[in-house]
Amino acid sequence: EAGVAQSPRYKIIEKRQSVAFWCNPISGHATLYWYQQILGQGPKLLIQFQNNGVVDDSQLPKDRFSAERLKGVDSTLKIQPAKLEDSAVYLCASSFRSGVGELFFGEGSRLTVL
Amino acid sequence: EDQVTQSPEALRLQEGESSSLNCSYTVSGLRGLFWYRQDPGKGPEFLFTLYSAGEEKEKERLKATLTKKESFLHITAPKPEDSATYLCAVWDNYGQNFVFGPGTRLSVLP
Repeated sequence: EAGVAQSPRYKIIEKRQSVAFWCNPISGHATLYWYQQILGQGPKLLIQFQNNGVVDDSQLPKDRFSAERLKGVDSTLKIQPAKLEDSAVYLCASSFRSGVGELFFGEGSRLTVL
Repeated sequence: EDQVTQSPEALRLQEGESSSLNCSYTVSGLRGLFWYRQDPGKGPEFLFTLYSAGEEKEKERLKATLTKKESFLHITAPKPEDSATYLCAVWDNYGQNFVFGPGTRLSVLP
């Protein structure tokens, strides 16, 4: 069974530039999550989708971050404009459905903002 | 608000020296507690799920236990390949929030 796929693995940008990350969850998983993990910290939830609807985006900085999940499968997370403090690993995870079972994670996308 | 804390922040062990990692949680009803292992440059990898106080799960040199307030990850006779960051996370009773702790960085020296 294929795991969660993410791209790109690494991205370096200047502050105020934009960046987009892509995620393809495990087939059949209805719930998709984007987490931000700053070095030395645990993952922090940015947004959770159930199919193509948003369940929780309370911690998403909506003035600069946006995310969508078209057709309830792939998802894209965008940052525009980026700040220095956005330097982190962006992890995508999926689960069969919300509140049930474990989350499966991708390898992550490491963002460095200069 | 759901909270998860972990201790110690970092732990260095000699190969074969057993120890325990702690995860304390405050949630509005626990639906499940999860342990993950994270290697540098990788995403978290699932280890265990615990659902009720008194439950225990084992896998090779790892054993996870759960009480009403905390969980322990016991590592017996660790090897250098057990070096990683160990994260715990909880589902609250509403099943909406999957909250992670900050992790424990484990180093096992040969």
